[in-house]
Amino acid sequence: QKEVEQNSGPLSVPEGAIASLNCTYSDRGSQSFFWYRQYSGKSPELIMFIYSNGDKEDGRFTAQLNKASQYVSLLIRDSQPSDSATYLCAVYYNQGGKLIFGQGTELSVKP
Amino acid sequence: GAGVSQSPRYKVAKRGQDVALRCDPISGHVSLFWYQQALGQGPEFLTYFQNEAQLDKSGLPSDRFFAERPEGSVSTLKIQRTQQEDSAVYLCASSLVPSTSTGIGTGELFFGEGSRLTVL
Repeated sequence: QKEVEQNSGPLSVPEGAIASLNCTYSDRGSQSFFWYRQYSGKSPELIMFIYSNGDKEDGRFTAQLNKASQYVSLLIRDSQPSDSATYLCAVYYNQGGKLIFGQGTELSVKP
Repeated sequence: GAGVSQSPRYKVAKRGQDVALRCDPISGHVSLFWYQQALGQGPEFLTYFQNEAQLDKSGLPSDRFFAERPEGSVSTLKIQRTQQEDSAVYLCASSLVPSTSTGIGTGELFFGEGSRLTVL
């Protein structure tokens, strides 16, 4: 079992809709959770990070963390075609201090 | 430079050749990470450095892979006797803060554009 799991997609939503991206992780000791966006042929760029249970909002993006369920999600409101990319969930593992990525979910926002 | 710089951007190697991939992190960044990303997959951790010390190399797939950061800035990832399965994008990332086993996070990782390796 991979340490960080995501549905690979593709996830297709119409423009203006809410896109919901999900991620589960295996290490209960994990404390820090990150969402990166990666456009095709480009390097990952950080969108948001979250440390505490609950929701964290930044513009159209909301990250949600539930440590009891070992679940983290990213909601994108008012999705735009420019949001079409692969979204990578990453979890910081305290043992060794490395950031572990999921396989990514491809999001397609249709005009 | 303003960002993480990697070279070469593209490398084609014949099977069995040795290759060296270079990463020049953001000036002053303490931590440096190497990841391997196969097509359609997420980045897979290879190794990381805190200054010149290689603190974790558990992700290196075989003893053909070697990384160094002798002066705590530029890093080189070397792959000996390349195989077709080594074909991937190799991403380098740096972080201002040290990566610690007790801290609450690594801080933001800044990625380079990657080096795409194709082994024929």
